[in-house]
Amino acid sequence: DIQMTQSPSTLSASVGDRVTITCRASQSVRTWLAWYQQKPGKAPKLLIYKASALESGVPSRFRGSGSGTEFTLTIDSLQPDDFATYYCQQYHSVSVTFGQGTKVEIK
Amino acid sequence: QLQLQESGPRLVKPSETLSLSCTVSGGSMNSSNAYWAWIRQPPGKGLEWIGYVFSTGSTYYNPSLTSRVTISLDTSNNQFSLKLTSVTAADTAVYYCARRPGRTTGLGFDSWGQGPLVTVSS
Repeated sequence: DIQMTQSPSTLSASVGDRVTITCRASQSVRTWLAWYQQKPGKAPKLLIYKASALESGVPSRFRGSGSGTEFTLTIDSLQPDDFATYYCQQYHSVSVTFGQGTKVEIK
Repeated sequence: QLQLQESGPRLVKPSETLSLSCTVSGGSMNSSNAYWAWIRQPPGKGLEWIGYVFSTGSTYYNPSLTSRVTISLDTSNNQFSLKLTSVTAADTAVYYCARRPGRTTGLGFDSWGQGPLVTVSS
């Protein structure tokens, strides 16, 4: 299995901040990497696919970058609605794996 | 817009089989080149992919669960289902059904069900 490791596990930030979350793969996944946002009691929501493509309807303040084994999700100018948990997920291999999640909290 | 809805028992006894169905509406599974997936999330923890069935009927399972999992397709009823045998308390989780469009789109899981909590307890 390809292991996905996110950092940090928790991030405290204020409205308006720029936030960056990192996701590392144990082997290359090329650009087969997605990012999801999950709020308590809700299903995850797809934000980014193919490492940097913005899903339809997702605000442009969300940016994904990277390839191979290292990826980042950046949120420019954090909004109140963005406080949530974020997961990366690789789908390069048939056996899909998720990162452990990064919780973005209000500072 | 595609909608997915899970159904099935919310309480399962230890050693028994957990069975869930996912009904797809707003589109036909027959016309969709997609992976139909089950993903779970234990309370307070992260997401775990259980497996999926491709629109051809081919199945792919998480290696850690493969001996206990069966996922099947029922396109005539626009449904797919999950069976997990010999459950224990460690299988208590929110179970989501989800769709990942075919590989040529590059998309991840773009449609999800609401996810019922299934509890394993006597």
